[in-house]
Amino acid sequence: EIVLTQSPGTLSLSPGERATLSCRASHSVNNRSLAWYQQRPGQAPMLLIYATSSRASGIPARFSGSGSGTDFTLTISRLEPEDFAVYFCQQYVTLAPPYFSFGPGTKVDIK
Amino acid sequence: QVQLVQSGAEVKKPGSSVKVSCKPSGGTFTTYAVNWVRQTPGQGLEWMGGIVPIFGTAKYALKFQDRVTITADTVSNTVYIEVRSLRSEDTAVYYCATEPPECTATGCLYYFDNWGRGTLVTVSS
Repeated sequence: EIVLTQSPGTLSLSPGERATLSCRASHSVNNRSLAWYQQRPGQAPMLLIYATSSRASGIPARFSGSGSGTDFTLTISRLEPEDFAVYFCQQYVTLAPPYFSFGPGTKVDIK
Repeated sequence: QVQLVQSGAEVKKPGSSVKVSCKPSGGTFTTYAVNWVRQTPGQGLEWMGGIVPIFGTAKYALKFQDRVTITADTVSNTVYIEVRSLRSEDTAVYYCATEPPECTATGCLYYFDNWGRGTLVTVSS
């Protein structure tokens, strides 16, 4: 089983600051299978980034993704008030049987 | 983007079953896969399985393959998940989410582009 870990668990920042979120896999992940989601309180997750670095439709340019192999990063260049939320990374593993899994999440809260 | 409409909250007894539905409002699933992901405070987000409605064959996470059935009704354009032998640990918000069919010669992309609002299932005696 390929496990995703995210760090830090909580990131306390101020609006306008840069946020760097890490997602690490226990084994190498295909770049096409790595995605990031944002979840605001009481809402469903929302796709931000797919295939490691492609922004989903309507997602602002301040969100960017990068990485390869076992280490992936979501960067928010300048935090807006609506960006304070929980962020999850997701992978798809093409073993038999294939499966999706998620990291435990990073909460970005207001400092 | 098509809104995914899920059925309402449920309260169930341990040992019983629950069936949750997901239907696109004002559209169809076409060739998208429809997946189910649940969220519990202790386990975070868990993928349970998915189905491509026009093909009808479901795939499941190993953890759930003995207790979960995912089906699609192409006439009503609705996807269902049934969870049997419920226990307290199944108390969660259950989300449906669509997975677009993005495959090229170099491979496929795997992600969930649209999520329903979630259905709270509470298992309690």
